[in-house]
Amino acid sequence: EAEVAQSPRYKITEKSQAVAFWCDPISGHATLYWYRQILGQGPELLVQFQDESVVDDSQLPKDRFSAERLKGVDSTLKIQPAELGDSAMYLCASSLRGSGANVLTFGAGSRLTVL
Amino acid sequence: AQKITQTQPGMFVQEKEAVTLDCTYDTSDPSYGLFWYKQPSSGEMIFLIYQGSYDQQNATEGRYSLNFQKARKSANLVISASQLGDSAMYFCAMREQGAQKLVFGQGTRLTINP
Repeated sequence: EAEVAQSPRYKITEKSQAVAFWCDPISGHATLYWYRQILGQGPELLVQFQDESVVDDSQLPKDRFSAERLKGVDSTLKIQPAELGDSAMYLCASSLRGSGANVLTFGAGSRLTVL
Repeated sequence: AQKITQTQPGMFVQEKEAVTLDCTYDTSDPSYGLFWYKQPSSGEMIFLIYQGSYDQQNATEGRYSLNFQKARKSANLVISASQLGDSAMYFCAMREQGAQKLVFGQGTRLTINP
């Protein structure tokens, strides 16, 4: 069964350091999402790509977060500098383009701890 | 703006009983989809069931069914014959046709007791 690959699974860093997460969506999925999930809460969308273009980054803290999907396939989410409040699970998901009925398939997530 | 509300932070149910997890939503878009996801302690989000706003019948997937009451804007998940492996966080989510992004509720932690 096709999966969304994410790495690393776990990352511990000190505040003010840089951190990066990588996501490889299911082959053929044009839409890619990055969500942040703080412990005990629901996931919140950070950025959504359609192919290589950003279609929604309204909740992305652009002073420290950046995301790219250069060739419209895999994607990287970067945080620089990391802050204590960035400790969370970062979830990547992908879906087929178009219909609102398309299911998002999630990766296993990258759990970030900022000390 | 689209909004999802899950009012039950936690639910405790005996094994083999049925359980209903509540979800209400708010949207002004007449075309939307409603989703339920399960998140075990390992962290991955597992898709369970989908209901479209124009679907005439309630969605069912094995032991999962969605009690869709459009006029009340509710989309409750029903799990029949609960199992120990059903213990997890459950999230209701909605996507408006126009917005494309999936918005999640706060989740309900379900614990199945033996």
